[in-house]
Amino acid sequence: DQQVKQNSPSLSVQEGRISILNCDYTNSMFDYFLWYKKYPAEGPTFLISISSIKDKNEDGRFTVFLNKSAKHLSLHIVPSQPGDSAVYFCAASKGNQFYFGTGTSLTVIP
Amino acid sequence: DTAVSQTPKYLVTQMGNDKSIKCEQNLGHDTMYWYKQDSKKFLKIMFSYNNKELIINETVPNRFSPKSPDKAHLNLHINSLELGDSAVYFCASSQNAGPNEKLFFGSGTQLSVL
Repeated sequence: DQQVKQNSPSLSVQEGRISILNCDYTNSMFDYFLWYKKYPAEGPTFLISISSIKDKNEDGRFTVFLNKSAKHLSLHIVPSQPGDSAVYFCAASKGNQFYFGTGTSLTVIP
Repeated sequence: DTAVSQTPKYLVTQMGNDKSIKCEQNLGHDTMYWYKQDSKKFLKIMFSYNNKELIINETVPNRFSPKSPDKAHLNLHINSLELGDSAVYFCASSQNAGPNEKLFFGSGTQLSVL
């Protein structure tokens, strides 16, 4: 059962514009939502997280928005830079369990 | 200094063989994990250990056996390898076991079973 879904396998954005990556989940009991970034031949690295009791968390160019009623979260990157080109995984956690989406490959075009 | 290191990076083997993947973290974390990323890119938890104690054991064939000799190491042994075991296996660690813990991942082991 796939509790976290990322329906867009890829996204291309011009440098300097906004990148919006989306994620949907099914379990309303998740405590936290996290985004990880993965470069080829490397493991995922933590990017940003948000508690289920908040609706927005910002860290520099990265902002995560949570819409609990829609069971949807999104990661905004602005302005996008070529170094942001990577696969982005959405994850949700409950207790000590983490559930990951299948990732969205972001390409930022110079 | 690699925080979470796993070896080997690539593993090509025949069906029926037994193989091991090793993982070590130098972050002083208490919790370690094994994740499997299959061909559909699902990243799924297999096992988790907290201070050498097994805390998560997902529905994984018992051909897969994790071993944690100390809290800095979590190895994965796989018996009687099957074609469907081909995947990328990621080791990870976190300070503790909890919902807001940041996971630190190794670079993955690409397992190909022929």
